Amino acid sequence: KAGVTQTPRYLIKTRGQQVTLSCSPISGHRSVSWYQQTPGQGLQFLFEYFSETQRNKGNFPGRFSGRQFSNSRSEMNVSTLELGDSALYLCASSLSAGEWETQYFGPGTRLLVL
Amino acid sequence: DQQVKQNSPSLSVQEGRISILNCDYTNSMFDYFLWYKKYPAEGPTFLISISSIKDKNEDGRFTVFLNKSAKHLSLHIVPSQPGDSAVYFCAALTGANSKLTFGKGITLSVRP
Repeated sequence: KAGVTQTPRYLIKTRGQQVTLSCSPISGHRSVSWYQQTPGQGLQFLFEYFSETQRNKGNFPGRFSGRQFSNSRSEMNVSTLELGDSALYLCASSLSAGEWETQYFGPGTRLLVL
Repeated sequence: DQQVKQNSPSLSVQEGRISILNCDYTNSMFDYFLWYKKYPAEGPTFLISISSIKDKNEDGRFTVFLNKSAKHLSLHIVPSQPGDSAVYFCAALTGANSKLTFGKGITLSVRP
């Protein structure tokens, strides 16, 4: 079956703009988590959604937000972009919430903020 | 404040030898630890985990050791293979409903 899909794969934005990233989970998976990977900070948890509800949130400013739709697809939004938001944004899906060992990651969206 | 620390950013070992990847943590509430492997241009994949009630967990060539008193865990890969070359992330949880806290990762290079 198809894996986790993330769109777009690459994105270039300028400071102050906003961006929306999309994640389509594996069919049947109801939980989606988002992560940010940067060279300086490594991998950091952003948030986890299950059944359209945010279950957990990482230590990121309010400029980072997300949502999950009834079909389990998820979007992540970053407003007022800063240079430091340049990163690889990964999403992962699992059948249920908190299934950290059986979550499947997408290839990521690479965001460059100029 | 980095609660999960992978202080060595990189490690290079010869094929067939042992790779030891270290991870330290500061939060004594962490009770479950996971290792993920990531190849370039791919998402991470789960490798192995350990609960705080154990001190060792083994899966094939991969063994994770946990020293709770030292707040230290290590991943041993024996024997190392070139295909093991990747970035390895250590992660921790404070209970099933908590969020994952990751280290910065270690880049392992296995030389043929």
